[in-house]
Amino acid sequence: NAGVTQTPKFRVLKTGQSMTLLCAQDMNHEYMYWYRQDPGMGLRLIHYSVGEGTTAKGEVPDGYNVSRLKKQNFLLGLESAAPSQTSVYFCASSYTFGTGSPLHFGNGTRLTVT
Amino acid sequence: TQLLEQSPQFLSIQEGENLTVYCNSSSVFSSLQWYRQEPGEGPVLLVTVVTGGEVKKLKRLTFQFGDARKDSSLHITAAQPGDTGLYLCAGERANNFNKFYFGSGTKLNVKP
Repeated sequence: NAGVTQTPKFRVLKTGQSMTLLCAQDMNHEYMYWYRQDPGMGLRLIHYSVGEGTTAKGEVPDGYNVSRLKKQNFLLGLESAAPSQTSVYFCASSYTFGTGSPLHFGNGTRLTVT
Repeated sequence: TQLLEQSPQFLSIQEGENLTVYCNSSSVFSSLQWYRQEPGEGPVLLVTVVTGGEVKKLKRLTFQFGDARKDSSLHITAAQPGDTGLYLCAGERANNFNKFYFGSGTKLNVKP
């Protein structure tokens, strides 16, 4: 019963390097999200997807790109990492039975950019 | 500025005490959710409220949605060390289903 799985769990990057975070869900959910969590800021939405092949910007999209080529996967890319992108990244998914659908979260990826 | 303001930011209490956490906004939400997060893990849903004035109870936790659907509160009765964690509220705006905005969180520590 995996739910939402994020890889990797930890990563250290140097400024300017690139990387991709992978999120996979096995619940057949339509919606998927990428959030970042910083101390005192709660969770802020980076990008989200309402279905396979679609993506949309959230509150803090700059410096990130996403892709949803398969329904079960949602990738978050950093093309040129900056220290301001040091954060804990969470992926989530939800079904779409109207308002109030719960979010199911992965356990996060801790990213440090030096 | 965040869409949802949570207070207090930190709370440290003794086992057996009661507490209330607030989640306020100037925006109207179609639903509001409360999550709890343990260190090293993702948030886990506690409850969803969708009707103005709605009250939901989950054992010693009582959740209320404001009449105008702009605010919510979480009340814990007789707190226990197992209640320790980060509590987050998340609002879903009426014109954008399934897009959630989170508060900054309340870090609760219940001392035995």
